[in-house]
Amino acid sequence: EPEVTQTPSHQVTQMGQEVILRCVPISNHLYFYWYRQILGQKVEFLVSFYNNEISEKSEIFDDQFSVERPDGSNFTLKIRSTKLEDSAMYFCASTEAFGQEHEQYFGPGTRLTVT
Amino acid sequence: KQEVTQIPAALSVPEGENLVLNCSFTDSAIYNLQWFRQDPGKGLTSLLLIQSSQREQTSGRLNASLDKSSGRSTLYIAASQPGDSATYLCAVGSGGYNKLIFGAGTRLAVHP
Repeated sequence: EPEVTQTPSHQVTQMGQEVILRCVPISNHLYFYWYRQILGQKVEFLVSFYNNEISEKSEIFDDQFSVERPDGSNFTLKIRSTKLEDSAMYFCASTEAFGQEHEQYFGPGTRLTVT
Repeated sequence: KQEVTQIPAALSVPEGENLVLNCSFTDSAIYNLQWFRQDPGKGLTSLLLIQSSQREQTSGRLNASLDKSSGRSTLYIAASQPGDSATYLCAVGSGGYNKLIFGAGTRLAVHP
């Protein structure tokens, strides 16, 4: 069964460093999302991406964040200068199309630890 | 702004009990609603998707209902087992590109 994959599973970085989190969505999916979950808190929407551009972003997704689909398979989230409060689990999700019958499929997550 | 609330926050039951987990949302203009399971430190496993035009979905021992007009969904777990112990998350598909808005979850412990 097709699945969303994410790498790395765990990333440790120092404050101020840039990190890139990678995702490979399901191959025929067209809509991509990033979410994050700070330890002990709710899963929060960060950004949605369609047709090679950001379709919606939350207030969390400031200028320190960017997303890219550099080729036909990868979808990346870049944090330019990490802060301690960026420590969280980051989930990538994808869906085939837009509509009520289409569920989002989630990857296993990347745990980002900023020291 | 869509808000999702889950009650109870935690539940501890003996094996075999039938359970009801509740989810409420403030804006009834949703596309769909997904229930997920999350084990500690792990990712999200999708359990059920209910479309906004549907009232109910079933998968094995799980049954989820949706009352969009009142902003409520219920996840019913029949004959609970220790392996059901996890956090259960409710998420509504909302907004222009169907982003998911999550509740804080119900942490379920089923003891033998």
